[in-house]
Amino acid sequence: KQEVTQIPAALSVPEGENLVLNCSFTDSAIYNLQWFRQDPGKGLTSLLLIQSSQREQTSGRLNASLDKSSGRSTLYIAASQPGDSATYLCAGPRPGANNLFFGTGTRLTVIP
Amino acid sequence: DTGVSQDPRHKITKRGQNVTFRCDPISEHNRLYWYRQTLGQGPEFLTYFQNEAQLEKSRLLSDRFSAERPKGSFSTLEIQRTEQGDSAMYLCASSRLAGGPSSYNEQFFGPGTRLTVL
Repeated sequence: KQEVTQIPAALSVPEGENLVLNCSFTDSAIYNLQWFRQDPGKGLTSLLLIQSSQREQTSGRLNASLDKSSGRSTLYIAASQPGDSATYLCAGPRPGANNLFFGTGTRLTVIP
Repeated sequence: DTGVSQDPRHKITKRGQNVTFRCDPISEHNRLYWYRQTLGQGPEFLTYFQNEAQLEKSRLLSDRFSAERPKGSFSTLEIQRTEQGDSAMYLCASSRLAGGPSSYNEQFFGPGTRLTVL
């Protein structure tokens, strides 16, 4: 069974700091990976998708990379803002499948 | 593109009652997924449809749960004889079908239905 670990579980940083969130899969055969943001009591917002042919994706202040050989991904957030406070989840499908396996998330708090 | 919508947003019910949730995917998205999320955990896959066909069901989907997508558009998830352990956020997602049956396409999630079973 695919298990996904996200480190750290919680993170608190002052506004303006750069930060890195980590995600790793027990089954390193990950072809695609999505990073999501979830605000308390809300649904998931897709942030970045790394397809099987890619190693990283960038959107604004966010950059996600995927090392398929080790089954690890990182989400880099530059110049953090209080509005970035949320839980960040990584997820990927098993090869040949479509359903996503999720980590338990990293709860980020950016202090003004 | 109006996004994935779910109804109701909140449902409180008594143990033993039946409940039904609805999901409207993004139009032209062929695939529709149901997930369940409990407090402090990531979502867990329940089932998915490609058009009107239910192609995969998780072991989490006990026989009290049934999902349908009769015309390949909206979907319903019914829970019969609810139990307190069914209390969770039920999330729906949809994606396009492109690149063949084994390719992966970005999933977009709805706001969820929060179920509380008393």
